[in-house]
Amino acid sequence: NAGVTQTPKFQVLKTGQSMTLQCAQDMNHEYMSWYRQDPGMGLRLIHYSVGAGITDQGEVPNGYNVSRSTTEDFPLRLLSAAPSQTSVYFCASRQDGEKLFFGSGTQLSVL
Amino acid sequence: GENVEQHPSTLSVQEGDSAVIKCTYSDSASNYFPWYKQELGKRPQLIIDIRSNVGEKKDQRIAVTLNKTAKHFSLHITETQPEDSAVYFCAASIIAGGFKTIFGAGTRLFVKA
Repeated sequence: NAGVTQTPKFQVLKTGQSMTLQCAQDMNHEYMSWYRQDPGMGLRLIHYSVGAGITDQGEVPNGYNVSRSTTEDFPLRLLSAAPSQTSVYFCASRQDGEKLFFGSGTQLSVL
Repeated sequence: GENVEQHPSTLSVQEGDSAVIKCTYSDSASNYFPWYKQELGKRPQLIIDIRSNVGEKKDQRIAVTLNKTAKHFSLHITETQPEDSAVYFCAASIIAGGFKTIFGAGTRLFVKA
C-alpha cells in the first residue's frame, strides 16, 4: 500500500492564480480531510469528507473547494490564491475510530 | 463545534526528565483523543490514543490520561531522550459516524542532552 499520496510537494503561485492539490489513498478509507499547518496554529481543518459524494466544511474553508467523486481521491482547489494561503497542506484519511494517516504534505507559497 | 486548547506551546526539558503536555476540549460528545508527533519536515504520526471508556493508557515511556468530567487530557513522557524532540499535537473527535478530527495548536518539545 502506498498509503496517502499528495502532489505536488512544492508549489509557488502568484496572487489570483488557481490550482488543485491532489490527494489519493489506497486504503479504502471512507473519511478524508485537508488540513493547513501554520506556525503556532497547529493543524486547522479546511474541508472533510465522510464518503464519495459527501463533503463538509471544517474550521477554515474560505477560499477552498473540494469534491469527492471516488473513495480514493479528494482534491483541494484554490480558486484565487492569496498570500494568506501560504502554508503547508496535509491530506489525511482514516476509518471510523482509527488513527489518521497523513500524506507527506504540500508546501505552498503565494506571492 | 469542537475546540481544543493545548499548553504549553513550547517546553524545554533536560534529558531524563519528564515532560507533560495538557489539552482541554469543549465538546462533551468527543470520545476519542489521539496524540501525534511531528518531526521537523515530516508528517504527523500517531504515538498514542485514548478512548473515553478508559482513564489512562501507557505505552513504554508514553502515557495519556483523560478526565472526562473536566474535559481534560494529558500526555506524559518519562525519561525523555533527544529523539523525543518534536512538535506534539493533541486532537479530539467522535469515533463513529465519520466525525471530524480537531487538533490543538501544538507543543514544541526540546530535550537537551
